[in-house]
Amino acid sequence: DTAVSQTPKYLVTQMGNDKSIKCEQNLGHDTMYWYKQDSKKFLKIMFSYNNKELIINETVPNRFSPKSPDKAHLNLHINSLELGDSAVYFCASSQGPGGSGTGELFFGEGSRLTVL
Amino acid sequence: GDSVTQMEGPVTLSEEAFLTINCTYTATGYPSLFWYVQYPGEGLQLLLKATKADDKGSNKGFEATYRKETTSFHLEKGSVQVSDSAVYFCAFTGANSKLTFGKGITLSVRP
Repeated sequence: DTAVSQTPKYLVTQMGNDKSIKCEQNLGHDTMYWYKQDSKKFLKIMFSYNNKELIINETVPNRFSPKSPDKAHLNLHINSLELGDSAVYFCASSQGPGGSGTGELFFGEGSRLTVL
Repeated sequence: GDSVTQMEGPVTLSEEAFLTINCTYTATGYPSLFWYVQYPGEGLQLLLKATKADDKGSNKGFEATYRKETTSFHLEKGSVQVSDSAVYFCAFTGANSKLTFGKGITLSVRP
């Protein structure tokens, strides 16, 4: 039973399109995250929600909009896709913000987005 | 600002070689320190951690010691295996509870 699951795993789309990635965790965690990993494996936090409330909102274009309908779900919607959005997007969850001292985040397997 | 610096990669070793991956941090206060590992095609997973100075984290034959005087948390393994081939990330949580990752380093182990 997958702890943090993301869909879709692969997404190929044209520039200018709008797409969404969904994430669900069944660990009972309060905090969820979206990270972007580029081709050099550099990992950058984009957003974090704690109990459905946005707590981290890094410098990300406003074409990216997260939505947390409940604390087990965190979706990412991207408008007007650009070539530079091509990356692997990881969802993660933790018991509390930043792993609340344990630092343990649980990651999904990633969603590879390719913009043509 | 808070940051973590890892040695440049990639690193290629032969099986049974000794591994050291350097990591230093800049943070206010007393951060907790972590190593995460990302196997091919997977998400990151916690490898080991240390929450205070002089603590040693260990798991799967890997070790790292929290050195406050040198602000370092170097990862070591005495004898690497092909299955250790992965990307390794150093990370810490600071006063704001945000987990900050280093750039990651790719390790390839040859049979």
